[in-house]
Amino acid sequence: QVLLVESGGGVVQPGKSLRLSCAASGFTFSSYNIHWVRQAPGKGLEWVAIIWYHGSDKSYADSVKGRFTISRDNSKNTLYLQMNNLRVEDTAVYYCVRDRYWFNTTGYYLFDYWGRGALVTVSS
Amino acid sequence: DIHLTQSPSFLSASVGDRVTITCRASQGISTYLAWFRQKPGKAPELLIYAASTLQSGVPSRFSGSGSGTEFTLAISSLQPEDFATYYCQQLNFYPRVTFGPGTKVDIK
Repeated sequence: QVLLVESGGGVVQPGKSLRLSCAASGFTFSSYNIHWVRQAPGKGLEWVAIIWYHGSDKSYADSVKGRFTISRDNSKNTLYLQMNNLRVEDTAVYYCVRDRYWFNTTGYYLFDYWGRGALVTVSS
Repeated sequence: DIHLTQSPSFLSASVGDRVTITCRASQGISTYLAWFRQKPGKAPELLIYAASTLQSGVPSRFSGSGSGTEFTLAISSLQPEDFATYYCQQLNFYPRVTFGPGTKVDIK
């Protein structure tokens, strides 16, 4: 079955860096766009970044642009999120999410599988 | 950016009740809308996509409707596992998707 397992979360001081990983299995990883979505404690969902299936195209939320970098290694079925210059407001559970394309007279993208999430706490 | 609002923010209901949640978009998004259920401490689960298409494996008590700026998620007969928070998501400006603020469904 489809599995996405995040790792690398932890407690870090403001201004420091952290790298999250997401190990994928149960599907052809190199055929799917993958996102990071985060959720601050007790808050709603916020889209963070996307990397296209081939790895050449990426897009970021304004709140993390210039500080976070999304990447993938299709040979290892793994997604990454390099987070630099972390801020207190980056504290959240970070989810790795698969994105499936579905066509029925018009095309739709679906966020169909989510990992369990990795907690990142930024605190001095 | 497209802004989504949900109403109500919170509702109390009993097992077996029919409940409806509304999601409104600040501008038209055709049917590029999805619904998620998030149980406490768990990741969100996709329920509905393309406004009204039921995700595989999701019980038929869930249904979605709407287009343009107003959308509705209905649960025909609330089950114990449905006490959770529900989010709508717009994908009209994919990949820059946004989520609604959530509707928490609690036990009356």
